[in-house]
Amino acid sequence: AQKITQTQPGMFVQEKEAVTLDCTYDTSDQSYGLFWYKQPSSGEMIFLIYQGSYDEQNATEGRYSLNFQKARKSANLVISASQLGDSAMYFCAMREGRGFQKLVFGTGTRLLVSP
Amino acid sequence: NAGVTQTPKFQVLKTGQSMTLQCAQDMNHNSMYWYRQDPGMGLRLIYYSASEGTTDKGEVPNGYNVSRLNKREFSLRLESAAPSQTSVYFCASSEIESDTDTQYFGPGTRLTVL
Repeated sequence: AQKITQTQPGMFVQEKEAVTLDCTYDTSDQSYGLFWYKQPSSGEMIFLIYQGSYDEQNATEGRYSLNFQKARKSANLVISASQLGDSAMYFCAMREGRGFQKLVFGTGTRLLVSP
Repeated sequence: NAGVTQTPKFQVLKTGQSMTLQCAQDMNHNSMYWYRQDPGMGLRLIYYSASEGTTDKGEVPNGYNVSRLNKREFSLRLESAAPSQTSVYFCASSEIESDTDTQYFGPGTRLTVL
């Protein structure tokens, strides 16, 4: 079974609007971490945001926030006030357990921001 | 501070040829990783090294070998390249002192096997 599921192959959003990228995960561990990475067309992987399973508040980093719903096993990325430079692939990833990080990635969502 | 560097950036091989992908990090991280990225499949872990002197198989290790040369360097070797190994290869490193420590990625190597 897939550990990380990203059901949206592609998303479109207009500049300055907010967009939500979906991510659901599957784990039996009580302790785990969820990550979002951005991959622009240049190819590098850029870390965006992290949410720990014991964190009571949703993580935020600037225009990025993570809508963490533990009971539903979802960790959606919300980008507020989209910018043209946000056009990229976005990957959700999970680390099970604590300490050493072996990440499992989803298949990604391609976001296109239009003017 | 260059972060994670990878060489080469691009490579074309013929089936059966061998090559080594080099990776180095200057962040004094203990853990290093090799991933491959194929269209529509996200990143998949090939091998990892939790600390200097140790290496372990990831999800897709067949056809690859690795060497953790020292704390900074982690190389990936293809002994006999196959067209199925055409992919983009990423090296990453991380520290494990905190659960929030993230993996930092190199720029990738685009490999084509003919």
